[in-house]
Amino acid sequence: ETGVTQSPTHLIKTRGQQVTLRCSSQSGHNTVSWYQQALGQGPQFIFQYYREEENGRGNFPPRFSGLQFPNYSSELNVNALELDDSALYLCASSSTTSGGLAYNEQFFGPGTRLTVL
Amino acid sequence: GDSVTQMEGPVTLSEEAFLTINCTYTATGYPSLFWYVQYPGEGLQLLLKATKADDKGSNKGFEATYRKETTSFHLEKGSVQVSDSAVYFCALIFLGGNQFYFGTGTSLTVIP
Repeated sequence: ETGVTQSPTHLIKTRGQQVTLRCSSQSGHNTVSWYQQALGQGPQFIFQYYREEENGRGNFPPRFSGLQFPNYSSELNVNALELDDSALYLCASSSTTSGGLAYNEQFFGPGTRLTVL
Repeated sequence: GDSVTQMEGPVTLSEEAFLTINCTYTATGYPSLFWYVQYPGEGLQLLLKATKADDKGSNKGFEATYRKETTSFHLEKGSVQVSDSAVYFCALIFLGGNQFYFGTGTSLTVIP
């Protein structure tokens, strides 16, 4: 069984640039959630994708956007980067039934460390 | 709103000491409760969970009991090891919900 993988591991960008982070979900999982973890803080929910559509969003501006692909992998895109976007970005995969019932256990990837200068 | 509050760290203990990390929650319904652990430079790993009141989650010597009356889910271990040094996060999620609510984390350092 393959776990959740994320790429790249580390990334350095400058303010105003755009970034794309990638996540491959665990085998058998069809739902991907993204979290932002600022230094010294707990992860904050950005959004979740299920059936290639956004399925819930936290308190993040529209410049944070995402995609989910037919193989359930996902991308997180951040436009117009700001210094405060520097954080560890975590992807988590889980299962949702065809009836929309989510299994709560989410499996986290190792994260992408984004630094904005 | 829904939230999780953890005891502030950092916590430093000697090997074989008893560990308690307090966690309380505020929730509009009846959530499932989790403890995750994060080792340096890594993502989150599920440590244990409990899905209803009075359930006890346990793993690797760690335990936590879902206390609805005190809205708490305190993490305990009877004898910590150096390898337990990590950051511990308490979290909740509602049945069928899509997002975890995490506490701010408690850093634990165990010294030999």
